[in-house]
Amino acid sequence: AAGVIQSPRHLIKEKRETATLKCYPIPRHDTVYWYQQGPGQDPQFLISFYEKMQSDKGSIPDRFSAQQFSDYHSELNMSSLELGDSALYFCASSLGQGRDNQPQHFGDGTRLSIL
Amino acid sequence: KQEVTQIPAALSVPEGENLVLNCSFTDSAIYNLQWFRQDPGKGLTSLLLIQSSQREQTSGRLNASLDKSSGRSTLYIAASQPGDSATYLCAVYGGATNKLIFGTGTLLAVQP
Repeated sequence: AAGVIQSPRHLIKEKRETATLKCYPIPRHDTVYWYQQGPGQDPQFLISFYEKMQSDKGSIPDRFSAQQFSDYHSELNMSSLELGDSALYFCASSLGQGRDNQPQHFGDGTRLSIL
Repeated sequence: KQEVTQIPAALSVPEGENLVLNCSFTDSAIYNLQWFRQDPGKGLTSLLLIQSSQREQTSGRLNASLDKSSGRSTLYIAASQPGDSATYLCAVYGGATNKLIFGTGTLLAVQP
Protein backbone atom coordinates (compact mmCIF):
# COMPACT_ATOMS: atom_id res chain seq x y z
CA ALA A 1 0.00 0.00 0.00
CA ALA A 2 1.18 3.51 -0.76
CA GLY A 3 2.60 5.41 2.19
CA VAL A 4 3.45 9.00 3.00
CA ILE A 5 6.51 10.06 1.05
CA GLN A 6 8.88 12.70 2.30
CA SER A 7 11.82 14.25 0.53
CA PRO A 8 14.64 14.65 0.97
CA ARG A 9 15.46 11.95 3.52
CA HIS A 10 18.51 13.81 4.74
CA LEU A 11 19.43 17.48 4.46
CA ILE A 12 22.49 19.33 5.67
CA LYS A 13 22.41 23.11 5.85
CA GLU A 14 24.39 25.88 7.45
CA LYS A 15 23.11 28.52 9.84
CA ARG A 16 21.01 31.26 8.26
CA GLU A 17 20.31 29.18 5.15
CA THR A 18 16.86 28.15 3.96
CA ALA A 19 15.39 24.68 3.49
CA THR A 20 12.26 23.24 1.89
CA LEU A 21 10.86 19.90 2.95
CA LYS A 22 8.27 18.11 0.84
CA CYS A 23 5.51 15.71 1.74
CA TYR A 24 3.31 13.60 -0.51
CA PRO A 25 0.33 12.18 1.41
CA ILE A 26 -1.30 8.82 0.91
CA PRO A 27 -3.59 9.02 -2.16
CA ARG A 28 -7.06 10.38 -1.27
CA HIS A 29 -5.87 11.73 2.06
CA ASP A 30 -6.92 15.35 2.40
CA THR A 31 -5.19 16.29 5.66
CA VAL A 32 -1.48 16.80 6.19
CA TYR A 33 0.34 17.36 9.48
CA TRP A 34 3.93 18.41 10.21
CA TYR A 35 5.84 17.41 13.33
CA GLN A 36 9.32 18.11 14.66
CA GLN A 37 11.18 15.52 16.72
CA GLY A 38 14.38 16.62 18.42
CA PRO A 39 16.97 14.10 19.64
CA GLY A 40 15.49 11.97 22.40
CA GLN A 41 12.24 13.96 22.29
CA ASP A 42 8.69 13.05 21.41
CA PRO A 43 7.24 14.54 18.20
CA GLN A 44 5.91 18.08 18.55
CA PHE A 45 3.06 19.26 16.35
CA LEU A 46 3.92 22.18 14.08
CA ILE A 47 1.02 22.80 11.70
CA SER A 48 -1.73 21.03 9.75
CA PHE A 49 -3.76 21.54 6.60
CA TYR A 50 -7.18 20.25 5.62
CA GLU A 51 -8.37 20.61 2.05
CA LYS A 52 -5.53 23.01 1.31
CA MET A 53 -6.41 25.36 4.17
CA GLN A 54 -4.45 25.68 7.41
CA SER A 55 -6.48 23.91 10.06
CA ASP A 56 -4.38 23.99 13.22
CA LYS A 57 -1.16 25.59 14.33
CA GLY A 58 1.23 24.41 17.00
CA SER A 59 4.70 25.44 18.08
CA ILE A 60 5.88 26.51 14.63
CA PRO A 61 8.44 29.34 14.61
CA ASP A 62 7.66 32.47 12.60
CA ARG A 63 10.70 31.61 10.45
CA PHE A 64 8.82 28.56 9.16
CA SER A 65 5.89 28.53 6.79
CA ALA A 66 3.98 25.78 5.08
CA GLN A 67 1.26 25.23 2.56
CA GLN A 68 -0.75 22.48 0.94
CA PHE A 69 -1.07 22.52 -2.83
CA SER A 70 -3.92 21.60 -5.16
CA ASP A 71 -2.59 18.03 -5.49
CA TYR A 72 -2.58 17.81 -1.65
CA HIS A 73 1.16 17.62 -1.33
CA SER A 74 2.65 19.95 1.24
CA GLU A 75 5.88 21.87 1.68
CA LEU A 76 7.49 23.18 4.85
CA ASN A 77 9.69 26.19 4.20
CA MET A 78 12.30 27.04 6.80
CA SER A 79 14.37 30.22 6.74
CA SER A 80 17.19 31.70 8.83
CA LEU A 81 18.04 28.22 10.04
CA GLU A 82 19.44 27.87 13.54
CA LEU A 83 21.42 25.08 15.20
CA GLY A 84 18.34 24.24 17.27
CA ASP A 85 16.37 23.42 14.13
CA SER A 86 18.37 20.22 13.75
CA ALA A 87 15.75 17.50 14.12
CA LEU A 88 13.73 14.83 12.39
CA TYR A 89 10.75 16.39 10.60
CA PHE A 90 7.77 14.17 10.03
CA CYS A 91 4.82 14.58 7.79
CA ALA A 92 1.64 12.62 8.43
CA SER A 93 -1.58 12.34 6.48
CA SER A 94 -5.12 11.24 7.20
CA LEU A 95 -8.48 10.99 5.52
CA GLY A 96 -10.44 13.73 7.21
CA GLN A 97 -9.34 15.44 10.37
CA GLY A 98 -8.37 13.99 13.73
CA ARG A 99 -11.87 14.57 15.09
CA ASP A 100 -13.13 12.23 12.34
CA ASN A 101 -11.28 9.42 14.15
CA GLN A 102 -9.08 8.57 11.21
CA PRO A 103 -5.53 7.48 12.06
CA GLN A 104 -2.58 9.61 11.09
CA HIS A 105 -0.03 7.80 8.95
CA PHE A 106 3.53 9.02 9.14
CA GLY A 107 6.32 9.23 6.60
CA ASP A 108 9.89 8.19 7.36
CA GLY A 109 10.86 11.80 8.01
CA THR A 110 13.50 14.22 6.84
CA ARG A 111 16.58 14.44 9.02
CA LEU A 112 17.74 18.05 8.99
CA SER A 113 21.21 18.82 10.28
CA ILE A 114 22.37 22.41 10.75
CA LEU A 115 26.12 22.97 10.81
CA LYS B 1 -2.79 21.75 29.06
CA GLN B 2 -2.89 18.14 27.92
CA GLU B 3 0.00 16.07 29.29
CA VAL B 4 0.67 12.49 28.23
CA THR B 5 2.86 10.22 30.33
CA GLN B 6 4.12 6.75 29.58
CA ILE B 7 5.36 4.25 32.13
CA PRO B 8 7.80 2.58 32.16
CA ALA B 9 10.31 4.63 30.18
CA ALA B 10 12.19 1.45 29.30
CA LEU B 11 11.40 -2.24 29.54
CA SER B 12 13.44 -5.37 28.84
CA VAL B 13 11.73 -8.76 28.67
CA PRO B 14 12.67 -12.25 27.48
CA GLU B 15 11.17 -13.50 24.24
CA GLY B 16 7.73 -15.06 24.59
CA GLU B 17 6.64 -12.97 27.56
CA ASN B 18 3.36 -11.05 27.59
CA LEU B 19 3.73 -7.39 28.52
CA VAL B 20 1.75 -4.23 29.16
CA LEU B 21 2.70 -0.65 28.33
CA ASN B 22 0.92 2.19 30.10
CA CYS B 23 -0.19 5.60 28.92
CA SER B 24 -1.97 8.26 30.95
CA PHE B 25 -3.34 11.65 29.95
CA THR B 26 -4.59 14.58 32.00
CA ASP B 27 -7.48 15.90 29.87
CA SER B 28 -10.12 13.25 29.27
CA ALA B 29 -11.95 15.29 26.58
CA ILE B 30 -10.26 13.47 23.70
CA TYR B 31 -11.56 12.27 20.35
CA ASN B 32 -9.22 9.29 20.14
CA LEU B 33 -5.94 7.75 21.22
CA GLN B 34 -3.40 6.24 18.86
CA TRP B 35 -0.51 3.85 19.57
CA PHE B 36 2.63 3.96 17.40
CA ARG B 37 5.93 2.15 17.23
CA GLN B 38 9.13 3.87 16.20
CA ASP B 39 12.32 2.10 15.22
CA PRO B 40 15.58 4.04 15.73
CA GLY B 41 15.90 6.92 13.26
CA LYS B 42 12.72 5.86 11.50
CA GLY B 43 9.19 7.10 11.12
CA LEU B 44 6.20 6.22 13.25
CA THR B 45 4.12 3.20 12.38
CA SER B 46 0.49 3.42 13.42
CA LEU B 47 -0.52 0.32 15.40
CA LEU B 48 -4.00 0.98 16.73
CA LEU B 49 -6.48 3.84 17.07
CA ILE B 50 -9.15 3.77 19.77
CA GLN B 51 -12.05 6.17 19.51
CA SER B 52 -13.22 7.86 22.70
CA SER B 53 -16.41 5.79 22.62
CA GLN B 54 -14.51 2.49 22.43
CA ARG B 55 -13.02 0.41 25.22
CA GLU B 56 -10.50 -1.63 23.25
CA GLN B 57 -9.05 -2.47 19.86
CA THR B 58 -7.19 -5.57 18.75
CA SER B 59 -4.75 -6.21 15.94
CA GLY B 60 -2.95 -9.54 15.87
CA ARG B 61 -0.89 -9.90 19.06
CA LEU B 62 -1.69 -6.33 20.11
CA ASN B 63 -4.60 -5.23 22.27
CA ALA B 64 -5.13 -1.64 23.32
CA SER B 65 -7.62 -0.55 25.95
CA LEU B 66 -8.94 2.88 26.83
CA ASP B 67 -10.48 4.14 30.06
CA LYS B 68 -11.27 7.70 29.09
CA SER B 69 -12.75 8.75 32.43
CA SER B 70 -9.59 7.83 34.32
CA GLY B 71 -7.30 9.07 31.53
CA ARG B 72 -5.56 5.76 30.92
CA SER B 73 -4.72 3.43 28.08
CA THR B 74 -2.74 0.22 27.98
CA LEU B 75 -1.08 -1.62 25.11
CA TYR B 76 -0.88 -5.37 25.66
CA ILE B 77 1.61 -7.32 23.57
CA ALA B 78 1.21 -11.08 23.64
CA ALA B 79 4.03 -13.57 23.11
CA SER B 80 6.66 -10.89 22.54
CA GLN B 81 9.29 -11.37 19.83
CA PRO B 82 12.71 -9.73 19.27
CA GLY B 83 11.18 -7.94 16.27
CA ASP B 84 8.87 -6.11 18.67
CA SER B 85 11.88 -4.20 20.02
CA ALA B 86 11.22 -0.51 19.39
CA THR B 87 9.96 2.63 21.09
CA TYR B 88 6.21 2.64 21.62
CA LEU B 89 4.44 5.98 21.70
CA CYS B 90 0.87 6.79 22.60
CA ALA B 91 -0.73 10.00 21.38
CA VAL B 92 -4.08 11.61 22.12
CA TYR B 93 -6.11 13.80 19.78
CA GLY B 94 -8.50 16.41 21.12
CA GLY B 95 -9.00 17.88 24.54
CA ALA B 96 -8.39 21.59 24.89
CA THR B 97 -6.00 21.50 21.92
CA ASN B 98 -7.12 19.99 18.63
CA LYS B 99 -3.77 18.34 18.04
CA LEU B 100 -2.06 14.98 18.38
CA ILE B 101 -0.06 15.14 21.60
CA PHE B 102 2.52 12.44 22.21
CA GLY B 103 3.78 10.74 25.30
CA THR B 104 7.51 10.37 25.85
CA GLY B 105 7.48 6.72 24.84
CA THR B 106 8.49 3.33 26.24
CA LEU B 107 11.68 1.79 24.87
CA LEU B 108 11.05 -1.95 24.63
CA ALA B 109 13.80 -4.53 24.25
CA VAL B 110 12.82 -8.17 23.75
CA GLN B 111 15.74 -10.45 24.43
CA PRO B 112 16.04 -13.64 22.31
